[in-house]
Amino acid sequence: GEDVEQSLFLSVREGDSSVINCTYTDSSSTYLYWYKQEPGAGLQLLTYIFSNMDMKQDQRLTVLLNKKDKHLSLRIADTQTGDSAIYFCAESFGNEKLTFGTGTRLTIIP
Amino acid sequence: GAVVSQHPSWVICKSGTSVKIECRSLDFQATTMFWYRQFPKQSLMLMATSNEGSKATYEQGVEKDKFLINHASLTLSTLTVTSAHPEDSSFYICSARPYPHAGNGLAGVYNYEQYFGPGTRLTVT
Repeated sequence: GEDVEQSLFLSVREGDSSVINCTYTDSSSTYLYWYKQEPGAGLQLLTYIFSNMDMKQDQRLTVLLNKKDKHLSLRIADTQTGDSAIYFCAESFGNEKLTFGTGTRLTIIP
Repeated sequence: GAVVSQHPSWVICKSGTSVKIECRSLDFQATTMFWYRQFPKQSLMLMATSNEGSKATYEQGVEKDKFLINHASLTLSTLTVTSAHPEDSSFYICSARPYPHAGNGLAGVYNYEQYFGPGTRLTVT
């Protein structure tokens, strides 16, 4: 079955880089995603990576995928206070449903 | 592009009553809409998948007679929580997946992506 796990909390100083990690068990996923959820709001898609890619960069965001270890990470460069949120990784299989991780609450220390 | 709205954004109802939540794709047509629920400090759990014009597919453990889903058009899906109880109190989030055709040529909209609504907080007293 599908199981996606993340650390629950991460604290980072403003201006530093944040690295949020995610592990998953099902290697047949097609796409892997990172979503951001601010308090009381829905989910915002930040970026996604196709399963045959190793890395994807989009401005301050860098996604690394290690298929062998089933490990996905999101690096946020120059972390700002507006980056405070819960970050969810998710995987999908073909065009089917998303399976979400447990979420990581990112707190920025001034 | 790719805006999904939900209405209401929050609702308080008495135990035993029914509540309807709407999910609309505002600037694209959605073949499929998904309904999730999220408990405090927890992840999103998929409740059901609805395709326009057909019956919804419910995840294991979700009562289809309690959570009625209607997807009558390519831009609207509704979730009705029937005979609500306090344990149904939760944050309900919908998402919509664009219909893959040229008419959805919005910049930055990917046909197989899911775009999420802002959520509806339901409190049952």
